Formats: sequence, C-alpha cells, structure tokens
Amino acid sequence: DQQVKQNSPSLSVQEGRISILNCDYTNSMFDYFLWYKKYPAEGPTFLISISSIKDKNEDGRFTVFLNKSAKHLSLHIVPSQPGDSAVYFCAASAQGNEKLTFGTGTRLTIIP
Amino acid sequence: DGGITQSPKYLFRKEGQNVTLSCEQNLNHDAMYWYRQDPGQGLRLIYYSQIVNDFQKGDIAEGYSVSREKKESFPLTVTSAQKNPTAFYLCASSSFSGGAKNIQYFGAGTRLSVL
Repeated sequence: DQQVKQNSPSLSVQEGRISILNCDYTNSMFDYFLWYKKYPAEGPTFLISISSIKDKNEDGRFTVFLNKSAKHLSLHIVPSQPGDSAVYFCAASAQGNEKLTFGTGTRLTIIP
Repeated sequence: DGGITQSPKYLFRKEGQNVTLSCEQNLNHDAMYWYRQDPGQGLRLIYYSQIVNDFQKGDIAEGYSVSREKKESFPLTVTSAQKNPTAFYLCASSSFSGGAKNIQYFGAGTRLSVL
C-alpha cells in the first residue's frame, strides 16, 4: 500500500512563477515530513522538513505547508528558477522510527 | 570534506553472480540505509542499520544481504537470489538520537545492470 502519494508525476511552471508540489499520506502515525530534490543519476538532496506540531516552515524560496486534518502537505517554490528543474520526493516518518517512507516523486520542469 | 561515498558508479552483474556495492560515510552518523529506485517509483528501503553489528530488514530485503562491521561502512550484496536486480541503488546515513528526528543524507548512487 502506498502510504505516501504524489499524484502528479510531472509539473511544468514558467520561470519566475510559483511552483506547488503536493503530497498526501494515509498513515496517521507520521509526524515528520521532508522534501528532497533529485537530479538524474544523483542522490536526493534534502530541501526542507516540517514537524507535525507546525503547519508551515519556510527556508528562502521554499515553504512547506502541512494540513494534518487532510493528511496533506505541499511544497511552494517562489520564484521558480531553471535550476529547480528536478524530481521532488516527499517523505515521511513516524514517531520513534528512523525509517522514511517516500512518495513516487514529481518531475518539475521550469520553462524559461 | 564530509559525505557519503558510493562505489562503483556503474556495475554489471552476470546471471548467478553476487555483487557488492560499497557505501562509506565520514559524517560520524550512527544510522545507515540502503534504498532501491526503479523508474517511476519512489525509493524503497532494502536494509538499515542503527548501530554497528546490527541491522534490520526493510520493505524489500529478499535477495539482498548487508553487514555493519564498522560505523563508517555499510556494504550491500546483491545475491543471485535477487531475480530483478537492475535498478539505481542509494545509500544514506543519519545521526540517531533516540526520538529526535534526523535528516537522511544520500550518496550519489550506483546503477546496477544485468548482463
């Protein structure tokens, strides 16, 4: 069963606009969420995380929003830049557990 | 500088052969992980280790084996029992502080193909 879902396999956004990537989860025990960025043939790079005690976390151009009642989180990138073109993975972990469960990823393409 | 080194970058396996993927970290992290990525899929956990000489199966451990004899090293062996080994393999590590949440950091990966 897919406990972390990224329902959009791909997304194209004009340079300078906002990119919004979405992630849904089903396991109510998840209490920590992360976003990773991945270029082809490279390992994922950590971007930003959020704990379930918060509903928003910001780091520069990146903001993650968490809606616990809807079991939904989103990553906002503004303004979008060509270097943001990559695959973005959402991941989650449960309390007391170091294991991460990953979504299937969303390929973001920024159009110049 | 600190990081996670995976080698080789590309690896080819013949039928019936065991191959070993190397993962070394100099971040002084306690926990290490092995993931497999297939096209269009997320990362799936193969094995993980939170401490030297101890490791646990992940979601897809069948056909794989690991060892953790040193804190810095967590090699993965893909055995002949793994019938579909072609994939991109990723190693990760994190510091482990009980209930505190820690970020996993990844190596550059090894692409394994079957000849």
